[in-house]
Amino acid sequence: RKEVEQDPGPFNVPEGATVAFNCTYSNSASQSFFWYRQDCRKEPKLLMSVYSSGNEDGRFTAQLNRASQYISLLIRDSKLSDSATYLCVVSLSGYALNFGKGTSLLVTP
Amino acid sequence: DGGITQSPKYLFRKEGQNVTLSCEQNLNHDAMYWYRQDPGQGLRLIYYSQIVNDFQKGDIAEGYSVSREKKESFPLTVTSAQKNPTAFYLCASSIKGTGGRTFFGQGTRLTVV
Repeated sequence: RKEVEQDPGPFNVPEGATVAFNCTYSNSASQSFFWYRQDCRKEPKLLMSVYSSGNEDGRFTAQLNRASQYISLLIRDSKLSDSATYLCVVSLSGYALNFGKGTSLLVTP
Repeated sequence: DGGITQSPKYLFRKEGQNVTLSCEQNLNHDAMYWYRQDPGQGLRLIYYSQIVNDFQKGDIAEGYSVSREKKESFPLTVTSAQKNPTAFYLCASSIKGTGGRTFFGQGTRLTVV
């Protein structure tokens, strides 16, 4: 069983749509949770950390459910520039990261 | 500007050759990492180092070697023992113990010819 699982997509949505990505992780001792964004042939960049209380950054909202070992990312009012691959990331030890394979998003005009 | 610099951006290797990928950071981070990414795959950890002169194997260390003689530098050598080295290699660093506040270099795309 993979440590971090994501729906690979692709998700094709029109501008202005709301889209949600989900992720599950297998190790209940995991300590830290994140969403990274990766553009084609570029390095991943931290989008936001994820907390049990839920957190929001502009159009982006992240949620963590430790009991279900489930992480989500909601993007409201999608922009063309949101097109990218979104990586669900979990850290067990506080050092190295475990990455999901990513969910591909394409926002169309 | 602070950041992580990887070089070269593209690298071509003949079969049987060793190659070394450079990674330098000026963020004063203690921890450094090497990841490999294959098309359609997630990043996989090759090696990581928490302090100078110490490093640990990650999930796919076979065929690779590293050194950490300076805090700023964490070069990765892809040896001839690595059977399928063509991939996108990413170096990263973080403040010790913070896990995800991890910053990545722009990557080196290695192709075996």
